[in-house]
Amino acid sequence: DGGITQSPKYLFRKEGQNVTLSCEQNLNHDAMYWYRQDPGQGLRLIYYSQIVNDFQKGDIAEGYSVSREKKESFPLTVTSAQKNPTAFYLCASSMIIGRTPSNEQYFGPGTRLTVT
Amino acid sequence: DQQVKQNSPSLSVQEGRISILNCDYTNSMFDYFLWYKKYPAEGPTFLISISSIKDKNEDGRFTVFLNKSAKHLSLHIVPSQPGDSAVYFCAASVGNNNDMRFGAGTRLTVKP
Repeated sequence: DGGITQSPKYLFRKEGQNVTLSCEQNLNHDAMYWYRQDPGQGLRLIYYSQIVNDFQKGDIAEGYSVSREKKESFPLTVTSAQKNPTAFYLCASSMIIGRTPSNEQYFGPGTRLTVT
Repeated sequence: DQQVKQNSPSLSVQEGRISILNCDYTNSMFDYFLWYKKYPAEGPTFLISISSIKDKNEDGRFTVFLNKSAKHLSLHIVPSQPGDSAVYFCAASVGNNNDMRFGAGTRLTVKP
């Protein structure tokens, strides 16, 4: 049963603490993505990775860090430097066809992070 | 800088009727457009797409129309079913790249 899993579904943290959100896929996809969704806004790209040990910043990478040590896993760390960390975070993956990623991305169920 | 806009946050339609969800974009370089559907507590799932070389793409009850001159696309669902009730996101990209831009979504409710 292939798919993307994100855990946990809900996460609560105190301000000033780093927190890591998990994303795992068993679709054998090369490309993986992290998005953030805020009320009334579309998904915004935080980071993406097309290959193990390589990743690129998206529009809103400040205050976040990622790693891609394995093809299946792309964890996102929300650091204390992120000014407004409370949001809904979505992880996605896609195939790479030739040398370009497919536009059709597969999403996980998301993690809702609340920082107080 | 919202390059993809879905101006209707919600839409309510009677079962059996047509649902029309609209999306506008500002970047004329966008050449690939997608619609995603999202149920509560699940991630968005791909629904249908269209490239800029076409003006219509149909898949069963779902049809996407693209008007490049107006920078507008729409998703038609006919006939609408209660199971279609979800949030629909419009997305656009320049070619096959990682920088896909999403609209804020429209919540469709189909009433029995």
